Amino acid sequence: GAGVSQSPSNKVTEKGKDVELRCDPISGHTALYWYRQRLGQGLEFLIYFQGNSAPDKSGLPSDRFSAERTGESVSTLTIQRTQQEDSAVYLCASSPGGGTGANVLTFGAGSRLTVL
Amino acid sequence: GNSVTQMEGPVTLSEEAFLTINCTYTATGYPSLFWYVQYPGEGLQLLLKATKADDKGSNKGFEATYRKETTSFHLEKGSVQVSDSAVYFCALSSSNTGKLIFGQGTTLQVKP
Repeated sequence: GAGVSQSPSNKVTEKGKDVELRCDPISGHTALYWYRQRLGQGLEFLIYFQGNSAPDKSGLPSDRFSAERTGESVSTLTIQRTQQEDSAVYLCASSPGGGTGANVLTFGAGSRLTVL
Repeated sequence: GNSVTQMEGPVTLSEEAFLTINCTYTATGYPSLFWYVQYPGEGLQLLLKATKADDKGSNKGFEATYRKETTSFHLEKGSVQVSDSAVYFCALSSSNTGKLIFGQGTTLQVKP
């Protein structure tokens, strides 16, 4: 597509429920990233996918967080047993991958998660 | 570890005023430096970048120079417009993976 699409744009859930957030990257972009933005704070790196390589999961805050990516297309971020501190905007980004172009990320508009 | 520190906001200016948003970093090696901007209701987008010391990134009237001696990448614009109102994020990358480390963001409000 023309840009990075994320859904849902807003999600309100109860503590303890599982949530899934979806990201559809720009067609042809081999790299995909998930970041988290808490209110009034900068972006925290969560996970990075590059082609068929093993993902870099070093930013995932706990084992309640996981992400999958199907080939070089859609990715899903899953948060199990949500907690109130998980409330944030979850941002997905993609890039062409490799070389200096890898650092030029295109971000989606984000999924705002509120855990009650 | 690597980190980025930005001046706290909000920064409130009148139209046509001069803008500076300070950014300093801590990193090993020779990182690439970026400014991203988030306009209201939109996703982050790359504003400008610099990949080595003394490089100057520029776009839409904004400039930032990679200063290794002061580990800084301050954002400047000579004459701001109301349409520049947004949140500005400084970021660095120490590899070609796109794994960026962001500052906390600085909100700019420009009043007519």
